[in-house]
Amino acid sequence: GQNIDQPTEMTATEGAIVQINCTYQTSGFNGLFWYQQHAGEAPTFLSYNVLDGLEEKGRFSSFLSRSKGYSYLLLKELQMKDSASYLCAVKNSNYQLIWGAGTKLIIKP
Amino acid sequence: SAVISQKPSRDICQRGTSLTIQCQVDSQVTMMFWYRQQPGQSLTLIATANQGSEATYESGFVIDKFPISRPNLTFSTLTVSNMSPEDSSIYLCSVELGEGSEAFFGQGTRLTVV
Repeated sequence: GQNIDQPTEMTATEGAIVQINCTYQTSGFNGLFWYQQHAGEAPTFLSYNVLDGLEEKGRFSSFLSRSKGYSYLLLKELQMKDSASYLCAVKNSNYQLIWGAGTKLIIKP
Repeated sequence: SAVISQKPSRDICQRGTSLTIQCQVDSQVTMMFWYRQQPGQSLTLIATANQGSEATYESGFVIDKFPISRPNLTFSTLTVSNMSPEDSSIYLCSVELGEGSEAFFGQGTRLTVV
């Protein structure tokens, strides 16, 4: 089967750095996506990795290792508004998106 | 990018009734996707809707329960039929602009069945 694993919940302090991990097992790979979802809202796109390495976008970075089936999302200089769920999703060989269950990130002052 | 207008944003419905959810996209797209997201859980794909053909349903979802229309390249509807409390969930429509593209979502419909 296909599955994506990420921690259920993480807690971090305002101003700090947090790393959210994602491991995947899918039938083929055509890219990995990270989304942010605030409570009661739709997911919004954060980042996309298709090649190994680090992609940086402001305070957010995402890393991919295809050989290890592993990615992480790194959030720096955490702000209270970063409290949300973070979803990892992989496109398989059929370009179908396979979704992780999401990591609920709680930011404390 | 794509902007999707989804409505209603929320509804409370009696069991046994049906609700139709609409999504309008600001550009023409080949495929539209309908998801369900139950509280605290991830997105579950219900079906993929192509214009001019029947929707393709995922395992566990059937056309009689979730009929879908796709009359043109910018619009789709999902009906939740003969509702029961187990259908209480958030329903989301989504589009992708290409195989390597990210998914864009409507605002979601929060459905409560009583």
